[in-house]
Amino acid sequence: GDSVTQMEGPVTLSEEAFLTINCTYTATGYPSLFWYVQYPGEGLQLLLKATKADDKGSNKGFEATYRKETTSFHLEKGSVQVSDSAVYFCALSEPSSASKIIFGSGTRLSIRP
Amino acid sequence: GAVVSQHPSWVICKSGTSVKIECRSLDFQATTMFWYRQFPKQSLMLMATSNEGSKATYEQGVEKDKFLINHASLTLSTLTVTSAHPEDSSFYICSAIAGGVETQYFGPGTRLLVL
Repeated sequence: GDSVTQMEGPVTLSEEAFLTINCTYTATGYPSLFWYVQYPGEGLQLLLKATKADDKGSNKGFEATYRKETTSFHLEKGSVQVSDSAVYFCALSEPSSASKIIFGSGTRLSIRP
Repeated sequence: GAVVSQHPSWVICKSGTSVKIECRSLDFQATTMFWYRQFPKQSLMLMATSNEGSKATYEQGVEKDKFLINHASLTLSTLTVTSAHPEDSSFYICSAIAGGVETQYFGPGTRLLVL
């Protein structure tokens, strides 16, 4: 079945450092790919998404490119801030069941001032 | 944006008791709500999908008599863990969809500890 694998955390970086959180997926069809973020004490929020190969999703300085050849959707940010500290979830959904989301295990990110 | 709340945020109970968790959409009508379960360092796993006014659809391997879901109104869904046991200890998260919109809005989660 479909699955999502993302790098284990926690990831600790200094402010203004470059961030990469790796995510790879396994899917039978052509899924949509997502990154969700969960800030402390809050619900998961959609950060960005891409619906087809080579699409780039971006939001709040974060980017991720849908790479079909490597089945990857790595999250990147050029200069992280303390306020980016959160748990990040990579996820996918198949077109045939768009409301069913399959999540990765989450990566906790901590940014030091 | 749309807000989903959960209550309680955490609960501790004795083995054998039942626990009810509420999920509310605060500023929109949720035609569909989802319940997820998350174990430490693992993915969110979809447990069931509920549509207002109809029976929930459970994922394979989820006991419907153990995890009772009621979606009686367009703003409220409840998950009742019946006769809870220590292995039911987990983080339970709900999400909701407004009619015709694909985006799921998530609640902050409820941590359950069964002693």
